[in-house]
Amino acid sequence: EAGVAQSPRYKIIEKRQSVAFWCNPISGHATLYWYQQILGQGPKLLIQFQNNGVVDDSQLPKDRFSAERLKGVDSTLKIQPAKLEDSAVYLCASSFPYLRGGGELFFGEGSRLTVL
Amino acid sequence: DAKTTQPNSMESNEEEPVHLPCNHSTISGTDYIHWYRQLPSQGPEYVIHGLTSNVNNRMASLAIAEDRKSSTLILHRATLRDAAVYYCILRDLNTGNQFYFGTGTSLTVIP
Repeated sequence: EAGVAQSPRYKIIEKRQSVAFWCNPISGHATLYWYQQILGQGPKLLIQFQNNGVVDDSQLPKDRFSAERLKGVDSTLKIQPAKLEDSAVYLCASSFPYLRGGGELFFGEGSRLTVL
Repeated sequence: DAKTTQPNSMESNEEEPVHLPCNHSTISGTDYIHWYRQLPSQGPEYVIHGLTSNVNNRMASLAIAEDRKSSTLILHRATLRDAAVYYCILRDLNTGNQFYFGTGTSLTVIP
């Protein structure tokens, strides 16, 4: 079974530029998550989708970050304009619709962003 | 949202058992306890989860205190491949939302 696919794996940009990350979840997984992981820290949830609807975006910096999941499958996370502190690994995860207590999350390998 | 507290780092000798503690004193009756681990340069992966009773699977065992204010992830025989950051996370029983990671415990396995 194919895992969660993310691209690009690496991206280097200048501050104030824009960048977009793409995620293709595991087939059949209705729930999709984007996390930001700064070096030395645990992953921070940015946004959670259920199909193409947003469940939780309370920690998404909406002035510069946006995400969409058209058609309830692939998702794109955009940063515009980027700041130095956005340098991090952006992780995408997916899962089946939440089952009482369970619902294992499957993570992609991440997209590493460096902002200069 | 409920929080968890874990030691920043731990060491274990190879082939010995490892007990990774997690405190969650503000856990609510509707929170499941989940454990994930993150190997270097990889995304996190699921390890185990439980509600009240101890749980076992092929990777590990989860021991949950009777008052549920703490839990322990047990690796029965540590291998070098178990060197990772281990995260203890509380997940709401009803919604499953707000799946928030903490800082985790970095486990070093000594050959």
